[in-house]
Amino acid sequence: AQSVAQPEDQVNVAEGNPLTVKCTYSVSGNPYLFWYVQYPNRGLQFLLKYITGDNLVKGSYGFEAEFNKSQTSFHLNKPSALVSDSALYFCAVRDFSGAGSYQLTFGKGTKLSVIP
Amino acid sequence: DAMVIQNPRYQVTQFGKPVTLSCSQTLNHNVMYWYQQKSSQAPKLLFHYYDKDFNNEADTPDNFQSRRPNTSFCFLDIRSPGLGDAAMYLCATSRDHAAGGSYEQYFGPGTRLTVT
Repeated sequence: AQSVAQPEDQVNVAEGNPLTVKCTYSVSGNPYLFWYVQYPNRGLQFLLKYITGDNLVKGSYGFEAEFNKSQTSFHLNKPSALVSDSALYFCAVRDFSGAGSYQLTFGKGTKLSVIP
Repeated sequence: DAMVIQNPRYQVTQFGKPVTLSCSQTLNHNVMYWYQQKSSQAPKLLFHYYDKDFNNEADTPDNFQSRRPNTSFCFLDIRSPGLGDAAMYLCATSRDHAAGGSYEQYFGPGTRLTVT
């Protein structure tokens, strides 16, 4: 079974500082990894994905993430945080090994607060 | 703009009174999903349609049903809502890779269901 862990319930960062939201995963096959952001009372908004190729992927709003196969991690980063980045961030994995291959498994989410 | 639309955004129903939530999409995606998200938790997949094929998650209660009359529309029916069914219900779509898709799911804004 596939799983995702987001070890931090909350991350606080000062505006202008770099931010990192951590994610580790477990799958039996090749992982397809995603980051989504959710603002209050809204649906999830796609930020970026890793499918194959370059381990460093760039996404929307200046976010990027690095796929590390040996550490089974896919941490989300941004060089300079904005107050408007404050939201709930979800890491998700999709396992293409066969059964349940359409299921997207989400982490529990990390609340990011950017302090002015 | 192509999008996923959910109506209503807020729904109040009484304990045991059937309720239907609706989702429509203009993305022409062949896969549609329904998720349940309770407060401060990760979205939980209830079921999905691959074209017309319905796929139920093993732990989705029988109280939850779905219909997809055509490519654009999908409905979530809760036959006898209980207090524990109060949640945000998210609809999402994706295009299967075989159909030229790129794996990520696109989410609607959600319907927040209150059960009184």
